Amino acid sequence: GAVVSQHPSRVICKSGTSVKIECRSLDFQATTMFWYRQFPKQSLMLMATSNEGSKATYEQGVEKDKFLINHASLTLSTLTVTSAHPEDSSFYICSASTGGQLAFFGQGTRLTVV
Amino acid sequence: AQKVTQAQTEISVVEKEDVTLDCVYETRDTTYYLFWYKQPPSGELVFLIRRNSFDEQNEISGRYSWNFQKSTSSFNFTITASQVVDSAVYFCALSEVGSSYKLIFGSGTRLLVRP
Repeated sequence: GAVVSQHPSRVICKSGTSVKIECRSLDFQATTMFWYRQFPKQSLMLMATSNEGSKATYEQGVEKDKFLINHASLTLSTLTVTSAHPEDSSFYICSASTGGQLAFFGQGTRLTVV
Repeated sequence: AQKVTQAQTEISVVEKEDVTLDCVYETRDTTYYLFWYKQPPSGELVFLIRRNSFDEQNEISGRYSWNFQKSTSSFNFTITASQVVDSAVYFCALSEVGSSYKLIFGSGTRLLVRP
C-alpha cells in the first residue's frame, strides 16, 4: 500500500507557542489530504480537508485561524497549531488520497502542551 | 446526515473465543464505502477492509470476517479464535462519494483479549 509519513510522532511544547506537523505522501501524489484529531479514548474527528493549491475546508467548530493548514504540493501538507494551549493536547493524524476511495493514514502525532 | 454507531464501548474475551464487533451506519447516499480500522496502543491506524455499497458479499480474510447487510445498515466484524495481539481499538468508518471520501468514524470498540 501507499506510504504516508507524518512527523513528528511526538511533540511537547509550551503553552502559547506554535507547533507544525508535517504529512508527506512518499510514493504517490495526494490531491487531497485530511486532518483528524483524536482526544484520549475518543474517536477520530475530521478537522479539515485540504486540496493541493487551494484553501482548506474546515469542519464546523474548528478554528481556521488556530489550525493553519497548508497543502502547497502534491506530497506535503502541514498543520500548524498556533498559540497552543493545554486543551489542544491531542493525537493528530493525517490521511492522504489520490482522489480515489481509499485514503492512507500517517502514523499520527501526539501533541502535549504544557 | 451520515453517522456511524458502534454500540459496544468495550469487549473483553478470553483468548481463542470468537468475537463480533457491531457497526451500524446511516447515510442518504446510494454510493458509499465502509471501512474497518484497527488502532493498537501505538496509535497508528491499521487498515483492515473497505467495502463499497454495491458489494454485499461477505468477506473472510484469515481469522477476520465481515458481514455487510444493507437491509439493516450494518457492517459487522468477527474475529475467530481471538488472540492477545488482537487487543486494540477497532473503528468502523463511512465515506460518501459526494464528500471527497472523508471518513466519518464510529466511536470505536475497545477489544481486550485475555490470555
